[in-house]
Amino acid sequence: EDQVTQSPEALRLQEGESSSLNCSYTVSGLRGLFWYRQDPGKGPEFLFTLYSAGEEKEKERLKATLTKKESFLHITTPKPEDSATYLCAVQEGSSGTYKYIFGTGTRLKVLA
Amino acid sequence: SQTIHQWPATLVQPVGSPLSLECTVEGTSNPNLYWYRQAAGRGLQLLFYSVGIGQISSEVPQNLSASRPQDRQFILSSKKLLLSDSGFYLCAWSVSGQGDQPQHFGDGTRLSIL
Repeated sequence: EDQVTQSPEALRLQEGESSSLNCSYTVSGLRGLFWYRQDPGKGPEFLFTLYSAGEEKEKERLKATLTKKESFLHITTPKPEDSATYLCAVQEGSSGTYKYIFGTGTRLKVLA
Repeated sequence: SQTIHQWPATLVQPVGSPLSLECTVEGTSNPNLYWYRQAAGRGLQLLFYSVGIGQISSEVPQNLSASRPQDRQFILSSKKLLLSDSGFYLCAWSVSGQGDQPQHFGDGTRLSIL
């Protein structure tokens, strides 16, 4: 069964304390892995797409990487405004449909 | 640029009442459209998706239905709401014809059933 697991469920960091969030996945044929940021009461905001192992994407203090089994979202010197829930999703290609499988997210809190 | 609108932002409805949530997309043509429900502490659950006008695929059997009367309009409906229908409903779109594109979400509707 296709599955996406994110860890940790919750993470508290001091401002400037770098860390990484994990997204492990099991799909029959990965077409894309997507990272989103979700603020309370809002819809997810798209951050990155990764397509193949070894690929990396960066945006400000965020860097996403991909291996054959997992993806990491590295947060470098975080600020309080980086506090949010970060969601990972994968799209598998074997079914021929456009279905995305989401993880349950990591709730990040950055303390000033 | 493309934008997606959902309304209302919040809704409180009694059990057994009907429901209509609307979503519209601007700035793109023939998008793939999606309805999700997000429960606290759980991932997004895909309810319906559509690749074109009048084409609806249902992922979860329940008392909800979806319709796509126009290219960029997606409606989520129910004839009789249940308590279990409470949740955060999200509409999303993605580029059609390409299966490896990200989804883009609206700001959601918080639905409370009393």
